[in-house]
Amino acid sequence: EMQLVETGGVVVQPGGSLRLSCAASGFTFEHYTMHWVRQRPGKGLEWVCVINWDGGRTDYGDSVKGRFIVSRDNSKNSLYLQLTSLTTADTALYYCVKGHSTRLDYWGQGTLVTVSS
Amino acid sequence: QSALTQPASVSGSPGQSITISCTGTSSDVGGYVYVSWYQQHPGQAPKLILYEVNNRPSGVSHRFSGSKSDNTASLIISGLQAEDEADYYCSSYTSTSILVFGGGTRLTVL
Repeated sequence: EMQLVETGGVVVQPGGSLRLSCAASGFTFEHYTMHWVRQRPGKGLEWVCVINWDGGRTDYGDSVKGRFIVSRDNSKNSLYLQLTSLTTADTALYYCVKGHSTRLDYWGQGTLVTVSS
Repeated sequence: QSALTQPASVSGSPGQSITISCTGTSSDVGGYVYVSWYQQHPGQAPKLILYEVNNRPSGVSHRFSGSKSDNTASLIISGLQAEDEADYYCSSYTSTSILVFGGGTRLTVL
């Protein structure tokens, strides 16, 4: 059974940093592009970033470019998101998502990041 | 990159058909077949229901279908059922190699 389990969501102060992790299982992780998508409380989905199968290419949404870094370790079937210079606008549920072509075909349950003083 | 435009809400009675629109530009919806739709029930993660305009993943009901004309894509749900009540989001690949979502549409089954 395919699983994506996100961890690392915490309460952090404005200006702070943290790293989210996503543990993948049930599929050949190294074959697939992976994405992060976030959802602010009570709001819609916002695409955050993507990383290709070997980590050689990454792309970011404008609201996080220069502040967030996505990476992966295929030997550990793991995806990561480093978040820096956080503001209250980054408060959201962060989903780890498996990509297939341009579609997002399997989603984790998300990890909550709260930016608050 | 601006979000795609969806109606905030739509409603329909059981058995009816409804359509949810998703409007973008020639740099996203109008320029590619890579439009997807996602269903999200309260408290749950989103689920892919259509990809590349009108392709259904395995296990998704045939009652869900899609179309695209110029810069607008549409999700059509026929034979509306109570379980279809959820939030629906479109997304598109863009000319800058990123994805963009619509603002979401809440479907109410009356």
